[in-house]
Amino acid sequence: DTGVSQNPRHKITKRGQNVTFRCDPISEHNRLYWYRQTLGQGPEFLTYFQNEAQLEKSRLLSDRFSAERPKGSFSTLEIQRTEQGDSAMYLCASSLALDYSYEQYFGPGTRLTVT
Amino acid sequence: DQQVKQNSPSLSVQEGRISILNCDYTNSMFDYFLWYKKYPAEGPTFLISISSIKDKNEDGRFTVFLNKSAKHLSLHIVPSQPGDSAVYFCAASETGTASKLTFGTGTRLQVTL
Repeated sequence: DTGVSQNPRHKITKRGQNVTFRCDPISEHNRLYWYRQTLGQGPEFLTYFQNEAQLEKSRLLSDRFSAERPKGSFSTLEIQRTEQGDSAMYLCASSLALDYSYEQYFGPGTRLTVT
Repeated sequence: DQQVKQNSPSLSVQEGRISILNCDYTNSMFDYFLWYKKYPAEGPTFLISISSIKDKNEDGRFTVFLNKSAKHLSLHIVPSQPGDSAVYFCAASETGTASKLTFGTGTRLQVTL
């Protein structure tokens, strides 16, 4: 399967703990995105990378959140000092930067529960 | 501020009939639109897209219509099948940036036998 993969699929943590999620994009895709989805809402953009450069961050991404994409391959999203409001589905997507196509392909997500 | 709106949270259609899902947007800078389908416990799956230079795009049973003056798009599924039961999200992008998608809140489609 050459789709986008995310690990772990589920994470339960206590408030105040740090968590890290990993995303492996489709291998030839040079763009990688992180989104967050809460119940009853659509995915909300958090940040995106083109190769290893982080080019845009949403105001939703507080300073407790940090994302990296070393070597332009997989990406990690870390949340420090988790809060109950961080409970959500964290989705990763990837795409190939083309002038005529803007489709993004999503992974299955990591569901975070902060207790 | 919800820039992409899907005002119908749910829709029920009989198998074989047409499903019409609607989406409105407010940001006039959006010029590329996509529909995604989402099953429980899975990520959204890309379905079909349309550029603002077109008013219709068709792919098999799925057709998307865009009315730029009304800032409205719709997804038609004909004929509807039970496997189409899912949550459908409308999303929009600005092609100049191509950096992010702005999603609606979704419409849950139930196709009944």
